[in-house]
Formats: sequence, structure tokens, C-alpha cells
Amino acid sequence: EDQVTQSPEALRLQEGESSSLNCSYTVSGLRGLFWYRQDPGKGPEFLFTLYSAGEEKEKERLKATLTKKESFLHITAPKPEDSATYLCAVQTYYNNNDMRFGAGTRLTVKP
Amino acid sequence: DAMVIQNPRYQVTQFGKPVTLSCSQTLNHNVMYWYQQKSSQAPKLLFHYYDKDFNNEADTPDNFQSRRPNTSFCFLDIRSPGLGDAAMYLCATSRDRGGYEQYFGPGTRLTVT
Repeated sequence: EDQVTQSPEALRLQEGESSSLNCSYTVSGLRGLFWYRQDPGKGPEFLFTLYSAGEEKEKERLKATLTKKESFLHITAPKPEDSATYLCAVQTYYNNNDMRFGAGTRLTVKP
Repeated sequence: DAMVIQNPRYQVTQFGKPVTLSCSQTLNHNVMYWYQQKSSQAPKLLFHYYDKDFNNEADTPDNFQSRRPNTSFCFLDIRSPGLGDAAMYLCATSRDRGGYEQYFGPGTRLTVT
């Protein structure tokens, strides 16, 4: 069965303290891996799509990378406004292209 | 701005009283999805429409139904809500299936009393 596991569940950083969030996956036929940001009480906001191992995408302080088994979301010099839950999700060729989400990493950045 | 809109944002219903949640989109996307998200959990796909073609997840209870009368609108009907159905309900759209990102609405928080 396809599995998506995110770690850590929660992460507390000081402003400016860089770190990485992990998304490991066990799926057959990865079609795409997606990163979303979700603020409390709101819907997820799309950040990145990665399609193949070795691919990288960047946006402001965020950089997403992909290997054959996992993806990392690197946060460089985070600010308090980066506090949110970060979700990763995978699509495969064999599951009607439905998106399976991980449980997320809850990031808190203290000033 | 093109977007996904959900109404209402908060819905309170009584145990067993039918409720309908609505979603509209101005993105002109082919696919519309309904997810259920409980506190601190991953969004769980209930079903999706690919154009007019309805696709139900195998473990979605029969209590949940959906309608898509046109490209722009999609409804989630909960026929007899139970206490366990209290959750955030998220509507999402994508241009097509297969490799395309999904765009989410703000969600409807359902409370069952």
C-alpha cells in the first residue's frame, strides 16, 4: 500500500535558524510529489511540484528537493510568518491519479 | 482573482439532519475534489469529479454524496451526519488528473451537535 510519512511531526525554530522537513514515500509509479502550506483553519496552499529524482524547486526561503525515496523542504533563515503546517502529497500512475497526503509537519518559528 | 470558494465557512447541524456544503470555482478546471480533514490529520479524499464523471473512494461512507451540476459548482451532501463527521471539509480543483497541482478552497468547518 502507498505510504507517505512526514517527519518531524512538529518543529520549533528560532527566527533565522535554518532546517529541513522530510517526506518519505513508499509508492509504485510516482507521478508527482507536491508540497503545500496550510495555515490554521484554512485550506492548503500549493507550493511546489517535483516530478523526478534530482529535481529542485525554490521559492523565497523555501527549497524542495526529491530523491527516489524522499523529499526535503529546506527552510533558510525562517521568519515567524513561515509558521504553518507543511504537507506533502504524492500522485501515482496506478491509483487513478488521486493525491495521497502525509500528516504534515507543524512548524513554529519564534522571533 | 480566479479562485475556489466554499460556503458556508462554518456549518452547525444536528445529529442526523441532512446538510449540504457548496464549492464553486472560477478556474475553469476539469476536476473537482472533496476532502475531509480532521484535527492534526492529513486530508482524506472522499471523491472527485473528472468533468461529469464521478469517482468515489472505496472507503467513503454511503452517507456522503456529491453533485456537480456544471463545471463551476460542486456540492457535498451528508445525508445523516454523525458526531464522527465533524471535520473540516475541503474542496479542491485541478486542471486535469495526473501530475497537476490541486488548488484548495478555504474549507467548511462542520460541527455536529
